[in-house]
Amino acid sequence: SQQGEEDPQALSIQEGENATMNCSYKTSINNLQWYRQNSGRGLVHLILIRSNEREKHSGRLRVTLDTSKKSSSLLITASRAADTASYFCERQAGTALIFGKGTTLSVSS
Amino acid sequence: DTEVTQTPKHLVMGMTNKKSLKCEQHMGHRAMYWYKQKAKKPPELMFVYSYEKLSINESVPSRFSPECPNSSLLNLHLHALQPEDSALYLCASSQGPQGPLKDGYTFGSGTRLTVV
Repeated sequence: SQQGEEDPQALSIQEGENATMNCSYKTSINNLQWYRQNSGRGLVHLILIRSNEREKHSGRLRVTLDTSKKSSSLLITASRAADTASYFCERQAGTALIFGKGTTLSVSS
Repeated sequence: DTEVTQTPKHLVMGMTNKKSLKCEQHMGHRAMYWYKQKAKKPPELMFVYSYEKLSINESVPSRFSPECPNSSLLNLHLHALQPEDSALYLCASSQGPQGPLKDGYTFGSGTRLTVV
């Protein structure tokens, strides 16, 4: 399968703590994106990082990409209850668009 | 307008019915996508349209038939579905056929389909 792995599969933290999710993949990529999905809803685009970039920030979000290790991480700082959702990485490799299995984040107040 | 609009939001259909899912965007995006998502699973790509032409069909059964009447609209025609086809069907768009150039894909909120 071209699907990579995201870990952890589930993460439970307290408000104010940081949450880190990782995404690994197997083939070379053009770019990688992170999405958030609230229960049963559509996906919301968070950040796109290209294969020649190493780090990007957007508000409380920080994404890193290590193409030598074929991995990416999403860091959410100072988490809030509203951050509770599933988070997916999605890779574009050529014309293939592949979602990872996702991390379910639960932030309790 | 920065949205992808999907209708209907919910659909219940019998195995002998014919129905259609609709997707619309007015962002000038030239690539549109259908994804299928089962509960607690990631979205799986079904079809990609690029400049209104089908460019990718991920070996989807013929009971799913996509159509792109113009650059703003994408339909998914359903016929003789099975209960295991019940899922959330997501439509997305992006600026160009090579995938997102800057801001990623824009997803609709999906149609939750139940086949009975």
